[in-house]
Amino acid sequence: DIQMTQSPSTLSASVGDRVTITCRASQSISKHLAWYQQKPGKAPKLLIYKASSLESGVPSRFSGSVSGTQFTLTISSLQPDDFATYYCQQYDRYGTFGQGTKVEIK
Amino acid sequence: QVQLQESGPGLVKPSQTLSLTCTVSGGAISSGNYFWSWIRQSAGKGLEWIGRTPPHYNPSLASRVTISIDKSKNQFYLKLNSVTAADTAVYFCARDRGDGATTLSRWGQGTLVTVSS
Repeated sequence: DIQMTQSPSTLSASVGDRVTITCRASQSISKHLAWYQQKPGKAPKLLIYKASSLESGVPSRFSGSVSGTQFTLTISSLQPDDFATYYCQQYDRYGTFGQGTKVEIK
Repeated sequence: QVQLQESGPGLVKPSQTLSLTCTVSGGAISSGNYFWSWIRQSAGKGLEWIGRTPPHYNPSLASRVTISIDKSKNQFYLKLNSVTAADTAVYFCARDRGDGATTLSRWGQGTLVTVSS
């Protein structure tokens, strides 16, 4: 099984901050990684696919990158609407989600 | 704009079968090359991909899961056998982007299923 280790589990930040969330795969998954945003009581929303491709309609302050088996989601300037929980998902073999990162107000 | 809506019993007894339906509106389920998935979310295990149709299942659940589709009704289905309390979760149905990968771009709102006697 491919394991996804996401960090940190919680992140406190202020509006305007640059925020970085990391996900590490237990083995090579090429660029088969997606990032989702989830707000309480709602379904996840796709932000990034293929490690760095921005889903249509998603603000350009969100970006993704990859180095080997380490994947990064960056929010360049945190906005009030961005306080939420973020999940990575590998889809190279089946589909495994990370444990999530809650971005909360500092 | 395609929309998905889950439906089914909110309470299932242990050892019984959990059955859910996902109704697709705003487009034909047979159009395009989409994968139709089920995902669940519990407090204990976070988000867990269950599987999709055409059939492709999470190995940890494969022995208990069947996902099927009825194109005439624009619906697809989840059956999970021999449920226990560990199967209590919010269940989501979703559709991928149509790029041949399980990147979930359209989701239903989710339905809570509790396994309890």
